Amino acid sequence: AQSVTQLDSHVSVSEGTPVLLRCNYSSSYSPSLFWYVQHPNKGLQLLLKYTSAATLVKGINGFEAEFKKSETSFHLTKPSAHMSDAAEYFCVVSASYNTDKLIFGTGTRLQVFP
Amino acid sequence: EPEVTQTPSHQVTQMGQEVILRCVPISNHLYFYWYRQILGQKVEFLVSFYNNEISEKSEIFDDQFSVERPDGSNFTLKIRSTKLEDSAMYFCASSGDSRNTIYFGEGSWLTVV
Repeated sequence: AQSVTQLDSHVSVSEGTPVLLRCNYSSSYSPSLFWYVQHPNKGLQLLLKYTSAATLVKGINGFEAEFKKSETSFHLTKPSAHMSDAAEYFCVVSASYNTDKLIFGTGTRLQVFP
Repeated sequence: EPEVTQTPSHQVTQMGQEVILRCVPISNHLYFYWYRQILGQKVEFLVSFYNNEISEKSEIFDDQFSVERPDGSNFTLKIRSTKLEDSAMYFCASSGDSRNTIYFGEGSWLTVV
């Protein structure tokens, strides 16, 4: 069965420093992977998605993620954090190749300090 | 940018009461979903809906739950007789032909007392 593990429940960074949110996946097939973000009192917004095209995926707001099959990882990065990046981030995998059901990780709360 | 809208944003209901959560998916989307997130737990899949019928449902989605697309724009989730453990944030979502980009609403927070 497909699953994702977000390695950090909380990450704190200073504004202007790099962001790294870690995600490992488990999949019996070539997965579709996503990162969603949830700002306080807001819905889940798609940041980026990987669907077996380029392994380095660029998303919105300067975020990107790299699919590494050898490490079964899909870490989310951003070169320079902004205060507005403070939110909950979810790594998500599609449940199987023939379904659009999504499986969510437990989430990583990103805090950005001035 | 088109978005999925949900109402109500927050509802408090007594145990045993029926609740209907409403959603307006993005127009021209064909696939509709409900997910929920119990406080402190993962977001979990409830049901997917396509072509006016359920295409997939989870173990959570038992006979107490039902979904409906009563007209061309709304998509509803009904909980027939609410239990305390139904307290959660319920997210509606929709996707278009690609079925690979799923757009979520802001959620409806249900509190059962």
